[in-house]
Amino acid sequence: GQQLNQSPQSMFIQEGEDVSMNCTSSSIFNTWLWYKQDPGEGPVLLIALYKAGELTSNGRLTAQFGITRKDSFLNISASIPSDVGIYFCAGQKTWDRDDKIIFGKGTRLHILP
Amino acid sequence: EPEVTQTPSHQVTQMGQEVILRCVPISNHLYFYWYRQILGQKVEFLVSFYNNEISEKSEIFDDQFSVERPDGSNFTLKIRSTKLEDSAMYFCASGRSSYNSPLHFGNGTRLTVT
Repeated sequence: GQQLNQSPQSMFIQEGEDVSMNCTSSSIFNTWLWYKQDPGEGPVLLIALYKAGELTSNGRLTAQFGITRKDSFLNISASIPSDVGIYFCAGQKTWDRDDKIIFGKGTRLHILP
Repeated sequence: EPEVTQTPSHQVTQMGQEVILRCVPISNHLYFYWYRQILGQKVEFLVSFYNNEISEKSEIFDDQFSVERPDGSNFTLKIRSTKLEDSAMYFCASGRSSYNSPLHFGNGTRLTVT
């Protein structure tokens, strides 16, 4: 089946540090999405990317759609305690309106006291 | 801001029982989805639904699963005879009509099969 490889699996950082995580695939995606999931809640969309090479920011978050269409990264600058959670990349392969979105396995972000 | 709502938040059922998970998608959305997440694992696609029919389903979505949009607002997932391995968080999601409209998720129903 279609696979998204997300890394790292988990990160332990100090408050104030920058964070970088990425997602790769062996096949092309036409849409890349980044979601955050807090405990007991559903995934919440952070950033959506629709064009190869696109770089989009949402506050302290920046994400890029790789030129090859096979990867994407998410950066978080100056992390704060509420950034703790699981970050999922997700992709949509085709332009079909009802094409499913598939998810990576997530990056669990921990902030050390 | 409009949101996807799911009920119940937690359902406990015995193996072999039928369960119905309910979702109210965002009102102007036309594309509806169910995903599930086994504890500690990634979010997995189950089924997509558009124009009152299933568009696509995964291998997880076998004959024990069905979806329905019984009226203009609700979107339900039925598991006919639950198994222990059906225990998971089930997320409903909806999207607008255009292809570049990302999904919005509900907060999920935690299903526990005992």
